[in-house]
Amino acid sequence: QKEVEQDPGPLSVPEGAIVSLNCTYSNSAFQYFMWYRQYSRKGPELLMYTYSSGNKEDGRFTAQVDKSSKYISLFIRDSQPSDSATYLCAMRLTGGGNKLTFGTGTQLKVEL
Amino acid sequence: GAGVSQSPSNKVTEKGKDVELRCDPISGHTALYWYRQSLGQGLEFLIYFQGNSAPDKSGLPSDRFSAERTGGSVSTLTIQRTQQEDSAVYLCASSPRPSPRYTEAFFGQGTRLTVV
Repeated sequence: QKEVEQDPGPLSVPEGAIVSLNCTYSNSAFQYFMWYRQYSRKGPELLMYTYSSGNKEDGRFTAQVDKSSKYISLFIRDSQPSDSATYLCAMRLTGGGNKLTFGTGTQLKVEL
Repeated sequence: GAGVSQSPSNKVTEKGKDVELRCDPISGHTALYWYRQSLGQGLEFLIYFQGNSAPDKSGLPSDRFSAERTGGSVSTLTIQRTQQEDSAVYLCASSPRPSPRYTEAFFGQGTRLTVV
């Protein structure tokens, strides 16, 4: 079993829909939770990060962490075709270094 | 430069040949990471450099893989005697000096390696 599980999709939604992306994890020591967006043939770029449990909002994006359930989510409101990409969740432990453990990524397509 | 630069962008090599992949991190970033992304897989950690030393090389899959970093800047990932299962996108990332708190890792565009 992988440390971080993520549904690979693909997920197809109409423009304007609310998108929910999720990851589960098994290592309770993870403290930092990130969401990266990766366009085709590009490197991942950081979208949001959250420390420990709670919610964080940035424009149309909201990240949620539920450490008791070992479950994290990314919500995208008013989705746009430009949001079409692969979304990767990532996690790291507290401490030195910055090694990230990634999910497999969910491929999202927002249709006109 | 403005971002993390990787070269070559694409590399096709014959099975059994050695390859070198290069990463130029963002200027001033002391931490550098190599990840591998295979089809249908998430990013898999390979090695982490702090300065020129590698305190964590736990992700290197075999002794055919090695990496070095010189001058606290450029890093080279070398794969010897390449195998078809080495085909993947190799991504490099850099970040400022790590701390117990999170510091963002910035990724390059990757080198797409195909072993034929």
